[in-house]
Amino acid sequence: DAKTTQPNSMESNEEEPVHLPCNHSTISGTDYIHWYRQLPSQGPEYVIHGLTSNVNNRMASLAIAEDRKSSTLILHRATLRDAAVYYCILRDSADSWGKLQFGAGTQVVVTP
Amino acid sequence: DVKVTQSSRYLVKRTGEKVFLECVQDMDHENMFWYRQDPGLGLRLIYFSYDVKMKEKGDIPEGYSVSREKKERFSLILESASTNQTSMYLCASSFRRRANQPQHFGDGTRLSIL
Repeated sequence: DAKTTQPNSMESNEEEPVHLPCNHSTISGTDYIHWYRQLPSQGPEYVIHGLTSNVNNRMASLAIAEDRKSSTLILHRATLRDAAVYYCILRDSADSWGKLQFGAGTQVVVTP
Repeated sequence: DVKVTQSSRYLVKRTGEKVFLECVQDMDHENMFWYRQDPGLGLRLIYFSYDVKMKEKGDIPEGYSVSREKKERFSLILESASTNQTSMYLCASSFRRRANQPQHFGDGTRLSIL
């Protein structure tokens, strides 16, 4: 499976944007880029996903590099509730199991 | 919004007991999954089901079984609980088993086997 690389942690001030990078240099043409987050003592929560084009939803934006070897999750105005571990993963459309595999992720700390 | 509900947030059982973990989803999803999450080991798939009465083994099925008698409910069974099954158990569901379909998780059951 293609792997992703994320920073271990990032800090942000409340109400400021947060840009979370993810490198996936071995991504294949059939891999979707997914982001999940996990708040303390809760299950993972789906955030956003994309294939080639940038994507926006009510939670965040996903910016995908033209060569698809990296992507950035953008939280437009961080709140204390956004403090969580954020996971960037690749999902191969040829994978019939559909299982998720998380790496270590990025711990986001939001300071009031 | 999708709601995946796990029957217990915290559970304490004894070695050798038969343990049932229940999961219900309210979005008529075809696929349901059971994972366990351990520090340093990440998320590991135990079993999944893509239809009523259908099940497939994941990466670590040993010591577990599952049941899916109704589309909305997926149960994980620890046949004879052991201390190495102490973990966070997560249930998830998705509309279809495709890479562009997100999985929606419950809040998890933190299970301790004494």
